[in-house]
Amino acid sequence: SQTIHQWPATLVQPVGSPLSLECTVEGTSNPNLYWYRQAAGRGLQLLFYSVGIGQISSEVPQNLSASRPQDRQFILSSKKLLLSDSGFYLCAWSVSASRSPLHFGNGTRLTVT
Amino acid sequence: AQKVTQAQTEISVVEKEDVTLDCVYETRDTTYYLFWYKQPPSGELVFLIRRNSFDEQNEISGRYSWNFQKSTSSFNFTITASQVVDSAVYFCALSEAAGSQGNLIFGKGTKLSVKP
Repeated sequence: SQTIHQWPATLVQPVGSPLSLECTVEGTSNPNLYWYRQAAGRGLQLLFYSVGIGQISSEVPQNLSASRPQDRQFILSSKKLLLSDSGFYLCAWSVSASRSPLHFGNGTRLTVT
Repeated sequence: AQKVTQAQTEISVVEKEDVTLDCVYETRDTTYYLFWYKQPPSGELVFLIRRNSFDEQNEISGRYSWNFQKSTSSFNFTITASQVVDSAVYFCALSEAAGSQGNLIFGKGTKLSVKP
């Protein structure tokens, strides 16, 4: 069966520091991969998605970036964190078929201080 | 413009009560998909159901049922005989066929508390 791993679970970082969140999927090949952010009291917002290695689409311009160095690995990064980057970050995967359901990881709660 | 509205911010019920979570959507597409996700206190989102716009048949899965009505642009979710383990935030989401893959438009969620 497919599983998705996301770490760390929680992270506290000072403003201006770099960020690297990692997500890996097991049990499937060539998945679509996604990064979502959930701000307090709000729904989820799609940040990035990837349909293949090295292919990244950004939905919202910001100081975050994403990379997909391997088929089942998706990394969310920032060179310098802002206070507004605080939130709950969720990685998700889906099969390549159109509009197939997303399956989410456990999330990373990021607090920028 | 596409939009998902979950008007109920929080609902509190006593165990064994039935509860309905409302979801109203807006879209100009004729082909779209609707989803419900559950987010327990642990944080991960759990996929519950997907419906496409051409399938208005209601669905029942155990204590869960979904009522899709295109005439009112609603996709409501009912939990029968609620249990404490149903306590979670529930999100309704919309995906348009014309939109980019994975760009689910989420409602703001309804927090359900089931008291023993």
